[in-house]
Amino acid sequence: AQTVTQSQPEMSVQEAETVTLSCTYDTSENNYYLFWYKQPPSRQMILVIRQEAYKQQNATENRFSVNFQKAAKSFSLKISDSQLGDTAMYFCAFMKHGVGAGANSKLTFGKGITLSVRP
Amino acid sequence: KAGVTQTPRYLIKTRGQQVTLSCSPISGHRSVSWYQQTPGQGLQFLFEYFSETQRNKGNFPGRFSGRQFSNSRSEMNVSTLELGDSALYLCASSIGTGEKLFFGSGTQLSVL
Repeated sequence: AQTVTQSQPEMSVQEAETVTLSCTYDTSENNYYLFWYKQPPSRQMILVIRQEAYKQQNATENRFSVNFQKAAKSFSLKISDSQLGDTAMYFCAFMKHGVGAGANSKLTFGKGITLSVRP
Repeated sequence: KAGVTQTPRYLIKTRGQQVTLSCSPISGHRSVSWYQQTPGQGLQFLFEYFSETQRNKGNFPGRFSGRQFSNSRSEMNVSTLELGDSALYLCASSIGTGEKLFFGSGTQLSVL
């Protein structure tokens, strides 16, 4: 079974600064996907970024980028130029790769981290 | 393109009752997953349907069930409600394995 750990329950950052959210995971799988989701106070779960484990290159989406260290089983999210709208709970999630009978879209989530952006 | 639609947004039920939640995925998405979110347990996977077949199931009692229709719309049912079933129930759809999951706004269920 896979586990996802987000050890920091809360973080705070000044507007326009950079913040990094940590995530570690445990799995015996070699092929998998990693995600960061954002859940603002509206509770709508929004995809931030997706990383394929077989790709060495770190994923980037505008101000959001990841540092994926496969050997260390670490997947941190960096938010640059933080904005007030980034205030939300952030969840790291793992999805096992599967084909045929093993195909699935199941996400295993971490406990989340509450990020507050200060004006 | 319309997003994932969940109905109703809010529900209040009493213990022992049953409830049915509905989810309409993004057009073209064949996979629908359900998650329960509570402050104590976080986000937990309930089950996943793909082309009307349950493809994966989480560790929940048999009171929790679901189904998917030929148009990919999905319903989940909880029978004999307990106080601990109070939660935000989230539905997500995707094109297929390994792809991005898109979530609905959720159904907030309160069991009194």
